Amino acid sequence: QKEVEQDPGPLSVPEGAIVSLNCTYSNSAFQYFMWYRQYSRKGPELLMYTYSSGNKEDGRFTAQVDKSSKYISLFIRDSQPSDSATYLCATANAGGTSYGKLTFGQGTILTVHP
Amino acid sequence: SQTIHQWPATLVQPVGSPLSLECTVEGTSNPNLYWYRQAAGRGLQLLFYSVGIGQISSEVPQNLSASRPQDRQFILSSKKLLLSDSGFYLCAWSVQGFGNTIYFGEGSWLTVV
Repeated sequence: QKEVEQDPGPLSVPEGAIVSLNCTYSNSAFQYFMWYRQYSRKGPELLMYTYSSGNKEDGRFTAQVDKSSKYISLFIRDSQPSDSATYLCATANAGGTSYGKLTFGQGTILTVHP
Repeated sequence: SQTIHQWPATLVQPVGSPLSLECTVEGTSNPNLYWYRQAAGRGLQLLFYSVGIGQISSEVPQNLSASRPQDRQFILSSKKLLLSDSGFYLCAWSVQGFGNTIYFGEGSWLTVV
């Protein structure tokens, strides 16, 4: 079993839709949770960072962590064609954060069509 | 602001040839530096990390090596490439001690033929 599971999709939605992207993880030691956006043939870009359980909002993006169920989510409101990309979730435990050992999901491919 | 440069962006190399990918970071001092690899259908895998000049730690035994000759320079090398070395290689950095917020470069696409 992979430590972080992420449905690869692809996911296709119309412009303006609410998008829900999800990951599950198995290691209860993970405390840090990140979402990256990766455009085709580009490096990943850090979108959201959360610590422990709870919600974090940044503009149209909301990250949600439920440590009791080991479930992390990213919601995109009013989705735009420019949101079309691969979204990667990532996790780390306290020790891993000191040297950047993140565990990534395989990414979900999202297409927002006009 | 900080920027990270990585080159070359794309390369096609024959099996058994050497490899050198280079990365530099601007706008920060004493960063943590990383090399990740992204294979098709898989997440990113940490290959090497460095907390200072000459200090390299390897996460995965493989045909590759890394070096940090200067504070903001990180190099990924191989003496003899294998077909399995093909992939998307990403250099990244973070503030010293804050490895949970990592910033990636644009990546290098390597195809070994």
